[in-house]
Amino acid sequence: EVLLTQSPGILSLSPGERATLSCRASQSISTNYLAWYQQKPGQAPRLLISGASSRATGIPDRFSGGGSGTDFTLTISRLDPEDFAVYYCQQYGSSPVTFGGGTKVEIK
Amino acid sequence: QVQMLQSPPEMRKPGASVKVSCKASDYTFVNFGVAWLRQAPGQRLEWLAWINPYNANTYSAQKVEGRISVTADPSTTTAYMELRGLRFDDTAVYYCARTELRLRYFFDFWGQGTLVTVSS
Repeated sequence: EVLLTQSPGILSLSPGERATLSCRASQSISTNYLAWYQQKPGQAPRLLISGASSRATGIPDRFSGGGSGTDFTLTISRLDPEDFAVYYCQQYGSSPVTFGGGTKVEIK
Repeated sequence: QVQMLQSPPEMRKPGASVKVSCKASDYTFVNFGVAWLRQAPGQRLEWLAWINPYNANTYSAQKVEGRISVTADPSTTTAYMELRGLRFDDTAVYYCARTELRLRYFFDFWGQGTLVTVSS
């Protein structure tokens, strides 16, 4: 199965700063079938991005996804206080679908 | 707004079974798949199984194959996940999530999660 490695494990930033999160796959992900989710404590994950770069309905445009092949990024252009959470990537190009270990974005 | 409402937390002894429900609303139930995933403490999210509510086709992860059953009742727009032969390492929050009806999918709406605790 495809192993997804997210880095960094923890990102300490201040509101208003830019956040760049990385997701690296153990093999190329076909058709850029990669999604990103946000999870806050005690809540279910929320879909942010699918197809590597398509924002889900209602997701603010400060969230953007990019990359291809084995290297993908999620960028939050200006951190809002509500953006401090854990972020996961997920690939759905190969079966079974798999998730990364997460990046925690915390307030500096 | 699409909602997936799951059943309350459960506690079971090792070897027992648990059945979690997921009531879907505000979309056409048979036009989307329902997946089951779990998140154990300190572990990454793990896909367990998937069902097509239209024709009841299912797929499950090798790790739980033989112990998991997923069903769906279109008349009540409810999906179910039963896990048998529970072990301590099955302790986790179990989620249902909606997917497109295709073999390669992401999860666009999630249930709130059901904590299943396996303890003697």
